[in-house]
Order: sequence, then structure tokens, then C-alpha cells
Amino acid sequence: NAGVTQTPKFRVLKTGQSMTLLCAQDMNHEYMYWYRQDPGMGLRLIHYSVGEGTTAKGEVPDGYNVSRLKKQNFLLGLESAAPSQTSVYFCASSGTGSEQYFGPGTRLTVT
Amino acid sequence: RKEVEQDPGPFNVPEGATVAFNCTYSNSASQSFFWYRQDCRKEPKLLMSVYSSGNEDGRFTAQLNRASQYISLLIRDSKLSDSATYLCVVNSPNFNKFYFGSGTKLNVKP
Repeated sequence: NAGVTQTPKFRVLKTGQSMTLLCAQDMNHEYMYWYRQDPGMGLRLIHYSVGEGTTAKGEVPDGYNVSRLKKQNFLLGLESAAPSQTSVYFCASSGTGSEQYFGPGTRLTVT
Repeated sequence: RKEVEQDPGPFNVPEGATVAFNCTYSNSASQSFFWYRQDCRKEPKLLMSVYSSGNEDGRFTAQLNRASQYISLLIRDSKLSDSATYLCVVNSPNFNKFYFGSGTKLNVKP
């Protein structure tokens, strides 16, 4: 049972490049989330999904897009990366009313 | 007003000490409450859920006070390995979102 996995673990991008972060969960959870965490700061919600085919904006959605074509996967896209998007990105999933489980994170640096 | 507020600390305590963290939440309709632990540069991990009647897991005790809208975590007999940031988390009433406190940093010293 892998839980929540994220790909890639590390990435360096140049300003203006694009990339997609993949999150996968094998717990049959309905809800999935993307957060970013900057040094010394708390988690901030980027986008979330309450089920396959649905997405919604969180606290800091600008510059990001998401898709949930399959229940087990939640993709986060950066269309044109900016240095302000340098961060650690965490994906999480949860069942209804239950706790969240987090992936190990993706460390992204934009130069 | 933030959904969840915590004292950022740091709390610096000697091994064996008892330490308590509190957090307050703003939405009285919230139904689910949790404490997570986050080590440096790692993902948050569930420490324990918080139930209305209070609950204990070994050296850790969590309490919920709905009337005052606060949650507490008590750690007894602190170990060096307890050094981490502790996150208070509250689920939104419709269960769609989780609101995280900014975390309380604990340093347990020899």
C-alpha cells in the first residue's frame, strides 16, 4: 500500500518553462489537494478536488492549473514558471470527514 | 481572522518535561479536528485525531473544547525525538477543506 505518491521529487526549472506535477493515491479517497509550503511558513492550499472530474480553487490558485481525470490522480500544472513559485509542493488525499494523508513532496526551484 | 491560530513558539523544553500546545478555530460548525507533526523538510504526518471526549495515545493527550473553540495537545515525558513542528488542523463543516494552523515548533533539549 503506497498511500500518496508524488512525481517528481525534485525539479529545477527556468523562468517561463512549464511542468506538471503528478499525485497518485491508492486509498480510493474522494478528496485530493495541492498545497505549497514556503520556508518558515504554513501550508497554503492551491487547488483541490472533491471527486473525479471536479476541481476548485484554494487560497493561492494563480499561476497553477489542475486536472482530476481519474479518481486516483491529481495533476498540478505550471504553465509559465516564475521564481515566486519556488516552493515545496505537497499533495494530500482524504476520505469524507477523515484525516488527510500527504505525499512526500516535490521540491521545485525556478531560476 | 484566520481559521486556525496557533502560538508559533518555539517551545524549548528539557527531556522529560510536560508541554502543552493550544490552538483556536473560528468556525463553530467545524466537525473534525486533528494534530499533525511535521519534521523539517518532510510531509505532515497525522499524530492524532481529536475527539469531543478527549483522547490519549501513549504520552500524547488531545482535548477539544467546543464552547471555547480551542484544541489542545499535551505531551508528557518529552523525548528528543518529539522535536518537530506541531500543526493544528480543522476540517471545514462540509468536509471539503482542511484549515491548518501555522504550526508550533517544539525543541526538546538533552
